Amino acid sequence: GENVEQHPSTLSVQEGDSAVIKCTYSDSASNYFPWYKQELGKGPQLIIDIRSNVGEKKDQRIAVTLNKTAKHFSLHITETQPEDSAVYFCAALYSNYQLIWGAGTKLIIKP
Amino acid sequence: DTEVTQTPKHLVMGMTNKKSLKCEQHMGHRAMYWYKQKAKKPPELMFVYSYEKLSINESVPSRFSPECPNSSLLNLHLHALQPEDSALYLCASSQEAGQGNSPLHFGNGTRLTVT
Repeated sequence: GENVEQHPSTLSVQEGDSAVIKCTYSDSASNYFPWYKQELGKGPQLIIDIRSNVGEKKDQRIAVTLNKTAKHFSLHITETQPEDSAVYFCAALYSNYQLIWGAGTKLIIKP
Repeated sequence: DTEVTQTPKHLVMGMTNKKSLKCEQHMGHRAMYWYKQKAKKPPELMFVYSYEKLSINESVPSRFSPECPNSSLLNLHLHALQPEDSALYLCASSQEAGQGNSPLHFGNGTRLTVT
């Protein structure tokens, strides 16, 4: 069935360094790929999304890249800060309503 | 602060209790969702309402009963729950149904414990 794999499950980086989280998906018909950030005790918040007609999208320190041929997409966070510590989820849209989520990546920013 | 408000933040209930979770949004969104999230897992879709009508039920047991009284409110009625139903229950909304057409806005959830 439809599947989204997300790696790594935990990522620890030094403050100021970059962090990269990668996801692969199985259905080539997917055309929408959001990234959510979930802080402790809160609901997921959309931080960036990309559609299949675009290869890259950037918003300040956050960027997402999409490779449709290889069926993978990645989240890049530059100049990481303590407030970036959270769990990050990727997702892929498989039908009009069905988002398939990755398992999540716990990002730890070391001071 | 989130624009989707959920109450209560925490709820402890026994297996014979009846309780309700509430969700409210004032963004004019026409689609509202209930998700269940277990610890260290991604959210799982339970129900989708579009224009106040139930459009998706992801084979959720009947002990969970959703209700959409109007376009701003979404309830989840709980009855005869099991301990394994303990989880974070998240409400979300989007401008239109179809999660690819407009992004999801989540509330901060209700932490439910069934004893």
